[in-house]
Amino acid sequence: GAVVSQHPSWVICKSGTSVKIECRSLDFQATTMFWYRQFPKQSLMLMATSNEGSKATYEQGVEKDKFLINHASLTLSTLTVTSAHPEDSSFYICSARDKGEMYYGYTFGSGTRLTVV
Amino acid sequence: AQKITQTQPGMFVQEKEAVTLDCTYDTSDQSYGLFWYKQPSSGEMIFLIYQGSYDEQNATEGRYSLNFQKARKSANLVISASQLGDSAMYFCAMREDLISNFGNEKLTFGTGTRLTIIP
Repeated sequence: GAVVSQHPSWVICKSGTSVKIECRSLDFQATTMFWYRQFPKQSLMLMATSNEGSKATYEQGVEKDKFLINHASLTLSTLTVTSAHPEDSSFYICSARDKGEMYYGYTFGSGTRLTVV
Repeated sequence: AQKITQTQPGMFVQEKEAVTLDCTYDTSDQSYGLFWYKQPSSGEMIFLIYQGSYDEQNATEGRYSLNFQKARKSANLVISASQLGDSAMYFCAMREDLISNFGNEKLTFGTGTRLTIIP
């Protein structure tokens, strides 16, 4: 089945530094990737949608300059949290849309737990 | 208004019993899809079952079935013969406007239900 590899699975960084999270589709082409954020015991909130080769579409309230998304190829999307602060600590999870799937086929990565100290 | 409503924040069920997790949705689209995902404590999202708005039959996948009541905008997940490994968070999600928005359809998630199976 479709597999999405997300790295790192957890990261601790100092306040003010940047962190990059990678999301790779291993055995399919992901035309579209979605980035979600999940606070403890809460639901997944969509941050942005990225299509290969074009700029990401950010949801209302998400700072595009803080959460940089790059979708340079059909198998790789990255989320960079710039100048991270403790309030950015959260669980980030990506989802890739299988280009070959008509109606469903969202495969999720295993998530990245970010802690900013 | 919430697009996806899950009214049960937590449920405790005896092992081997069946359990129904509630989900109601709100959309004006004719073409949409409904999903259920399981999220164990490790965090990954595991796809369980899918129901398209035009599907006349209720979806089934092994021990999972989706009780789709279109007029009531309800898409409840039924797990038969629950097992200890079913303990997890369960999320209902919807994708709207399948036809005109193909390729960019985002999923909207409910708040989830934490299911605990008791031995």
